[in-house]
Amino acid sequence: GESVGLHLPTLSVQEGDNSIINCAYSNSASDYFIWYKQESGKGPQFIIDIRSNMDKRQGQRVTVLLNKTVKHLSLQIAATQPGDSAVYFCAETDGAAGNKLTFGGGTRVLVKP
Amino acid sequence: EAGVAQSPRYKIIEKRQSVAFWCNPISGHATLYWYQQILGQGPKLLIQFQNNGVVDDSQLPKDRFSAERLKGVDSTLKIQPAKLEDSAVYLCASSLVVSTDTQYFGPGTRLTVL
Repeated sequence: GESVGLHLPTLSVQEGDNSIINCAYSNSASDYFIWYKQESGKGPQFIIDIRSNMDKRQGQRVTVLLNKTVKHLSLQIAATQPGDSAVYFCAETDGAAGNKLTFGGGTRVLVKP
Repeated sequence: EAGVAQSPRYKIIEKRQSVAFWCNPISGHATLYWYQQILGQGPKLLIQFQNNGVVDDSQLPKDRFSAERLKGVDSTLKIQPAKLEDSAVYLCASSLVVSTDTQYFGPGTRLTVL
């Protein structure tokens, strides 16, 4: 498959370690945030979301943290596996502006065996 | 449940030619989106339909891009004439109703303009 992003920030992680991917957003009116995973040659796949009235949400092996004060979002992946190797995008939407989804630039995660 | 289908998967054309992409959303999804993803960047929304009406086309270059969803199901995106900078992956996504519902993406069409 074709690489999604050749010049993206890259996070190299040892298999079994935890990964933390960070995302800064600029629109203080954004009220809904999503993390997507994109593997080479595929479309983005929904991982987890969080609304602005929350600061933490947990899924299976993933946790999203939202800090509205500094407009920062993070995705934590527990016990990273080779299948987690992909590009991860954060996305945000502002309900007052029509709910248009705006994607960030992405981070590539490489899991080393 | 079948996912979002797109065709073709790859297309190579010369500049000034025209090209069309097709998308079939998940059954029952009222909202359909077309995104452009340039290599190394996140997807950028081009146009959003709810049923067969346009909700947002503010970032669609209307002098060369057009899209339609005539029967509220399938959609086509056309570029005429293509420019070198149109080289990108064109992603289609669908959601049940509004864009805060989970958007499910298709595999995309990789367009190369020579």
